[in-house]
Amino acid sequence: NAGVTQTPKFRILKIGQSMTLQCAQDMNHNYMYWYRQDPGMGLKLIYYSVGAGITDKGEVPNGYNVSRSTTEDFPLRLELAAPSQTSVYFCASSSSGNTIYFGEGSWLTVV
Amino acid sequence: ILNVEQSPQSLHVQEGDSTNFTCSFPSSNFYALHWYRWETAKSPEALFVMTLNGDEKKKGRISATLNTKEGYSYLYIKGSQPEDSATYLCAFIDGTGNQFYFGTGTSLTVIP
Repeated sequence: NAGVTQTPKFRILKIGQSMTLQCAQDMNHNYMYWYRQDPGMGLKLIYYSVGAGITDKGEVPNGYNVSRSTTEDFPLRLELAAPSQTSVYFCASSSSGNTIYFGEGSWLTVV
Repeated sequence: ILNVEQSPQSLHVQEGDSTNFTCSFPSSNFYALHWYRWETAKSPEALFVMTLNGDEKKKGRISATLNTKEGYSYLYIKGSQPEDSATYLCAFIDGTGNQFYFGTGTSLTVIP
């Protein structure tokens, strides 16, 4: 089973560049999430989606955008990358409050 | 912003010791409480999903209890082994069933 797949695993961006982190799940989960993890800060929710066509802001949405055109895919877009967006990003999915399944993480550095 | 707190932040124990950590969460609008194990350079993996006050779950040497009325859950590890070294995260799921609020985790190091 593929589970939750996110790409790329590592990326270095220059300040002001844009990029998209891809996320796909094959478990037919309605709920999908993007988290960022900063040292000593735990997981912070960026955006989430409860189904195709529906997205909502989490705790730290500034500087990011998402879309959910299909149940399987939930890409995260970084516009005008800033050093504060250097972090590890995790995509995740779940089925209504049940176990959340995480991707393997994307390490992003903005220089 | 909802507050989920875990203590201690980090813990070093000797192999064979038993240990426990705490997760504190709001006692209202509760849907579920999850425990995850997070090894370095990997993604978090689910340990327990707990939904009812008084729930007790066990998986091998690891067990967890839940008190929704007072808003806390304990995770216990009996006879710690080096392979138990990881960060243990709890997540509070609110009444909507779709918002996960993670604690900052307890980092456990088991010294051989």
